[in-house]
Amino acid sequence: QKEVEQDPGPLSVPEGAIVSLNCTYSNSAFQYFMWYRQYSRKGPELLMYTYSSGNKEDGRFTAQVDKSSKYISLFIRDSQPSDSATYLCAMRPQGGSEKLVFGKGTKLTVNP
Amino acid sequence: DADVTQTPRNRITKTGKRIMLECSQTKGHDRMYWYRQDPGLGLRLIYYSFDVKDINKGEISDGYSVSRQAQAKFSLSLESAIPNQTALYFCATSDARGPPNTQYFGPGTRLTVL
Repeated sequence: QKEVEQDPGPLSVPEGAIVSLNCTYSNSAFQYFMWYRQYSRKGPELLMYTYSSGNKEDGRFTAQVDKSSKYISLFIRDSQPSDSATYLCAMRPQGGSEKLVFGKGTKLTVNP
Repeated sequence: DADVTQTPRNRITKTGKRIMLECSQTKGHDRMYWYRQDPGLGLRLIYYSFDVKDINKGEISDGYSVSRQAQAKFSLSLESAIPNQTALYFCATSDARGPPNTQYFGPGTRLTVL
């Protein structure tokens, strides 16, 4: 079993839809959970990160972590064509190095 | 100007050739990383360096070597390129004193080994 599993999609939604992106993981030591966004022909950029369980909201984006289920989610409200990108989850244990373990990424297209 | 730059942006080479990919950063960060990205496999860490004298192997270091020439420069070498090293390569940086878990990625180098 891979440490981090992420459905690669692709996912296609109409503008204004609520998007749900998800990852599961197997390593119970993971404490930091991140979402990176990668536009075509660009490097990934950090969108949000959360520590341990709970929710974090930033504008139209909400990140959720359920450590009991080893499941994390990113919700995008009122999705826009500019949200079209590949979204990668990443995670790491607390302490030690900052080596991140990435999911494979989910490609999202928001259609106008 | 971009904070993290990579050269070249695209490279086509032949099996057995030596290739060097270069990364420079103006962010003043102490930590630098090399990743490769393959369709269906995601981002995988090749090497990372927490300062000029610190070099560490990542998940997939076989067939690669690195050099941290200065705090701002981190090069990745393929001593004898093979076709399965065809991939998109990213350099990234982070600051031990900055926001945790924030890595800043360069624009990538698309490498094709024939």
